[in-house]
Amino acid sequence: GNSVTQMEGPVTLSEEAFLTINCTYTATGYPSLFWYVQYPGEGLQLLLKATKADDKGSNKGFEATYRKETTSFHLEKGSVQVSDSAVYFCALTGRGSNYKLTFGKGTLLTVNP
Amino acid sequence: DAGVTQSPTHLIKTRGQQVTLRCSPKSGHDTVSWYQQALGQGPQFIFQYYEEEERQRGNFPDRFSGHQFPNYSSELNVNALLLGDSALYLCASSPSRGQGYTFGSGTRLTVV
Repeated sequence: GNSVTQMEGPVTLSEEAFLTINCTYTATGYPSLFWYVQYPGEGLQLLLKATKADDKGSNKGFEATYRKETTSFHLEKGSVQVSDSAVYFCALTGRGSNYKLTFGKGTLLTVNP
Repeated sequence: DAGVTQSPTHLIKTRGQQVTLRCSPKSGHDTVSWYQQALGQGPQFIFQYYEEEERQRGNFPDRFSGHQFPNYSSELNVNALLLGDSALYLCASSPSRGQGYTFGSGTRLTVV
């Protein structure tokens, strides 16, 4: 079955530091890949997505590239802000389907001023 | 344009009781999925409803059941509650064509 493995947290950074959160996946076929963010006490918000190999998803300064050869979708941001503090989830779903999302366990990011 | 609305936001139940959670999907969305998020974990897929039928189901016991109404809203029912059912329950809606999941803020269920 499908699975997602992401970097264990928590991750603590200073403001303006570079962020990488690793994510690798196992899936049959060609999944679509997602990063979701969850702020304290809230639901999930889609941060970015990529639907085919070599696609780069980007939003709010965050980027992730769909690497089929390494089955990875690492999240990066060049300069984090305190407001980026949240839990980040990597997820996948079967390509072309509207079926279930499979999530990683999440990575807690704390950014200090 | 309202997003996904879930009710109630918080709920406390006793072991053995039954609970019903409700979800109104985003306008234009006709598919509703439910997820369980235990503390410190990623969401786990419970089931998905489309055209008032369960289309796909995750690895959850029959105590978890659902329903979708003609207006696309949905309910999640859990019978014979266990302490381990304590979690944040998330509803996500999407259009039947294409991928565009929108999540609600969830219902925090505590079983005591």
